[in-house]
Amino acid sequence: SQQGEEDPQALSIQEGENATMNCSYKTSINNLQWYRQNSGRGLVHLILIRSNEREKHSGRLRVTLDTSKKSSSLLITASRAADTASYFCATRDFGNEKLTFGTGTRLTIIP
Amino acid sequence: DAGVTQSPTHLIKTRGQQVTLRCSPKSGHDTVSWYQQALGQGPQFIFQYYEEEERQRGNFPDRFSGHQFPNYSSELNVNALLLGDSALYLCASSSRDRGQETQYFGPGTRLLVL
Repeated sequence: SQQGEEDPQALSIQEGENATMNCSYKTSINNLQWYRQNSGRGLVHLILIRSNEREKHSGRLRVTLDTSKKSSSLLITASRAADTASYFCATRDFGNEKLTFGTGTRLTIIP
Repeated sequence: DAGVTQSPTHLIKTRGQQVTLRCSPKSGHDTVSWYQQALGQGPQFIFQYYEEEERQRGNFPDRFSGHQFPNYSSELNVNALLLGDSALYLCASSSRDRGQETQYFGPGTRLLVL
């Protein structure tokens, strides 16, 4: 079963704009990770945030985590055409090895 | 440094047949997880192998089985294929011994069941 729900399901923005996507989940988690997937191929790991962290940055990516609301957001700044992809959040519970993925946000960057 | 590799890339089978998918983990990784991704959905966890044993299993029937070899590579077997088994099958590797939390994914095997 899917753990999380990404919001929005699809997002189209102009190149250079910022893109924000959100993820909600249901259980108490150890960490939350964001992945990118191009054209239905393999997933690329973007960033991991632990349950005791509130914000994390990596290059043009900024992730926030609110464990009280069981939600996370991914911000991509200064978007590029190459950022066009599907983005998934995935959670890992304590004592659990598996990742539970959300339904994904399909991001399209318009040149 | 080779990443996670999977074979074959594409596969077409008919209902009732059996299929075997293969995965080689990233160098230095000892743990392999398998996921099924239906079209338009997020990946769903099938099972994880570590030290040649199945350590955790998702909500998949016994038709789905696996194996891990001493060199850490892994196979996913699906028996009595159903139309609903058509999906992208993803393998991910990580290092449990190093306490690594990130899973690195291969490019996937796209299975079509007719």
